[in-house]
Amino acid sequence: GDSVTQMEGPVTLSEEAFLTINCTYTATGYPSLFWYVQYPGEGLQLLLKATKADDKGSNKGFEATYRKETTSFHLEKGSVQVSDSAVYFCALGLNYQLIWGAGTKLIIKP
Amino acid sequence: NAGVMQNPRHLVRRRGQEARLRCSPMKGHSHVYWYRQLPEEGLKFMVYLQKENIIDESGMPKERFSAEFPKEGPSILRIQQVVRGDSAAYFCASSPPGVQGSNEKLFFGSGTQLSVL
Repeated sequence: GDSVTQMEGPVTLSEEAFLTINCTYTATGYPSLFWYVQYPGEGLQLLLKATKADDKGSNKGFEATYRKETTSFHLEKGSVQVSDSAVYFCALGLNYQLIWGAGTKLIIKP
Repeated sequence: NAGVMQNPRHLVRRRGQEARLRCSPMKGHSHVYWYRQLPEEGLKFMVYLQKENIIDESGMPKERFSAEFPKEGPSILRIQQVVRGDSAAYFCASSPPGVQGSNEKLFFGSGTQLSVL
């Protein structure tokens, strides 16, 4: 069945480090791919998305490229800040449903 | 323009009681979705509703769970005779009107954390 697997956390980095959070998926159709972020005590916010192969989503310095050949949508940021500390969720969209990864907690230390 | 509003933020129930979770979609949105997040897991789809209609309840447990989205008022997720395994975060999302729901235009609420003692 359709599924999303993302890197287990927590991921702990120092401020200004390079970030990669891996995400791979299995899907029978042609899904859209998303990264959502959940800051402490808050709801889910869409961070970025890509709707077809080779599309790159970007927002707030984060990027992810829809790689159909490797079924991946890895999240990257060149220089993280303490304020990026949150839980990051990778998800795939088929029709009106989202299928979610388990989330990766990111901790950024000053 | 208020976002998706869920209340309460935290709900504590004893085993056997009923839990009612409310979700007011964004203004102008006519599609509502409920998701459940168990500890250490990703969100799981429960149900998709339009005004006065349940479109897809394939993710809802067969017993004790029900959902509605009346013509007036918020969407309600109702859990009867709660058990400890129902403890989870319940998220509501809404999307704008259209022929069908969309996964690309979802706006999420802050969730309701249900704790069953």
